[in-house]
Order: sequence, then C-alpha cells, then structure tokens
Amino acid sequence: GAGVSQSPSNKVTEKGKDVELRCDPISGHTALYWYRQSLGQGLEFLIYFQGNSAPDKSGLPSDRFSAERTGGSVSTLTIQRTQQEDSAVYLCASNRQGGNEQFFGPGTRLTVL
Amino acid sequence: GDSVTQMEGPVTLSEEAFLTINCTYTATGYPSLFWYVQYPGEGLQLLLKATKADDKGSNKGFEATYRKETTSFHLEKGSVQVSDSAVYFCALSDWSPDDKIIFGKGTRLHILP
Repeated sequence: GAGVSQSPSNKVTEKGKDVELRCDPISGHTALYWYRQSLGQGLEFLIYFQGNSAPDKSGLPSDRFSAERTGGSVSTLTIQRTQQEDSAVYLCASNRQGGNEQFFGPGTRLTVL
Repeated sequence: GDSVTQMEGPVTLSEEAFLTINCTYTATGYPSLFWYVQYPGEGLQLLLKATKADDKGSNKGFEATYRKETTSFHLEKGSVQVSDSAVYFCALSDWSPDDKIIFGKGTRLHILP
C-alpha cells in the first residue's frame, strides 16, 4: 500500500508570505505527527494529532504555526508570515493506534528567501 | 525531560571497516529505542528497534542492544559498505499517549570505496 505522502516536495517563498504544507498519512493510521528538520539541529517535534484533535501542540515554535487535520486523514501545516529561520525540511509521520513505530513521509523542503 | 545524545559526525570510514555510532538516552520511564536512517534524497526509515532492556535490534547487518544500566543503544556493523552512507538518528519513544519520538541530532556517515 501507499506510504505517507507530502506535498509539495519543495517550496521556495518570500519572507512574510504564508505557506501550507500537506500530509497524507497511511490509510487507517489514526496518529499523525509533524516534525521539523533543520540543518545541524536534528529533528524537532512540532505537533501530534490523534484523529482530528491535537492534544499536544507544545512543539509549535510560535503562533505563526498552526495545523489541522480533517476526516482523520489529511493534515495541513500552515506557517504565516514566514521568516528565514523557518527554512527547514518539514516531516510528517503516522502510526496506527497502539503502535509506536512511526512511518515517515519524504518531507517538504521549505526555503524562505 | 527525555533526551537522546549521539556522537557528532561526520564519520568517515573505509569500506569493510567496523562501525560504531554511540547513543545514550535520558528517560524517566522505560522507553522504546530506535535507530532511523536517512539515505541521500530519501525520507527517514526505521532501521531497527528494541522495546525493553537487553533486547537486540538488528537489520541489514546493523545491530544495537538496549542497555538499561548504561542507558545506551549504540549502533554497530561489522563491515560497512558504500551503500551505508547516510544520516543515522538514534531516537526514543516513552510510551506516552502521544508516542512522540525524541530524536538525537543525527550522525552523518561517509563510507569510502
């Protein structure tokens, strides 16, 4: 079956613009995670969804970042008024309920000029 | 809070050399431990995992043993190949309701032919 997919694969934007990043998890996976991979910084947890609700938003770096999930499936990560420090690879992962192995998408590389 | 520390790279070895990438963790509970690998241009993939003390995870010739007494999960391979060149991430999941994964910063491995 299909794995986790993300779009776009690359996004270049100007400082101050809003961007939307999309994640399609594996069908049937109830949990969905967003991480950010910055150069030399490893992976940083951003937000977690169980179904459509987000019980843990603690990793979102500022109020410019938001995410939603609809229908227990697709999730969108929105960054408003992008800054250069937002440049990173944004990774999405999903797993089935009760499993702790996460399956990762290929990521979206965001470059803010 | 929980954390993962792994040796900084890059690590450069010749083909057929022995590989060790050190990883230690801090956790309040009894986490599951993982090694993820990111090949050039690809997404993160689970390489191996161990869910309890003294378990050994293995895959593709790589091994790691969950050592509770030393809070370590070092990655080893007896004879590396050029195709093993990648970034390796040590990680833990503490079986909390959100199952978020806490990653180390990654170690870049270069294997020379």
